[in-house]
Amino acid sequence: GENVEQHPSTLSVQEGDSAVIKCTYSDSASNYFPWYKQELGKRPQLIIDIRSNVGEKKDQRIAVTLNKTAKHFSLHITETQPEDSAVYFCAPTNAGKSTFGDGTTLTVKP
Amino acid sequence: DVKVTQSSRYLVKRTGEKVFLECVQDMDHENMFWYRQDPGLGLRLIYFSYDVKMKEKGDIPEGYSVSREKKERFSLILESASTNQTSMYLCASSFGQGASWAKNIQYFGAGTRLSVL
Repeated sequence: GENVEQHPSTLSVQEGDSAVIKCTYSDSASNYFPWYKQELGKRPQLIIDIRSNVGEKKDQRIAVTLNKTAKHFSLHITETQPEDSAVYFCAPTNAGKSTFGDGTTLTVKP
Repeated sequence: DVKVTQSSRYLVKRTGEKVFLECVQDMDHENMFWYRQDPGLGLRLIYFSYDVKMKEKGDIPEGYSVSREKKERFSLILESASTNQTSMYLCASSFGQGASWAKNIQYFGAGTRLSVL
């Protein structure tokens, strides 16, 4: 099955700084690469995704980059705000089935 | 808005009891999933279903079974609950059909926190 590694497991930044989370996967058939955000006590929700034929996608302060050859994709958050504090999961997907990383706890200090 | 509803937010059961966790989605999604979430372990897939009466094992199916008799409802069953099944259980659904990449987006329920004593 798919082997997914997500780094770092915890990340603490000052408000306004940037944050980067990396996800490495093993299944070369994965073709859809989402990131989910889970705030404390809430359900995971999609924040950004990218498909296998695209290298980068941006949505305001968040972006995702994909290197399919190296089998990794990364979440980039710029100008972080306290409301970005949450757990972030990558979930490389093949044929509709996603394998979630262990999560990264991001803390943004005011 | 997609709505995925799990029948209970909190459940307390005794070792050996049979436990049913229910999940209902209202968006006519083809795919439904059951995960368990434990600190530091992410979301681990227990079972998933691509269609009514169809099911496939995920990464940690031992000790669990599922039922999907209707498209909108996916049930997780613990035949004989054990203390190591104490966890947060999350149900999710996705459209699963068509050419759009959006078919892969998973929508989650609020979760059921199960304690087995």
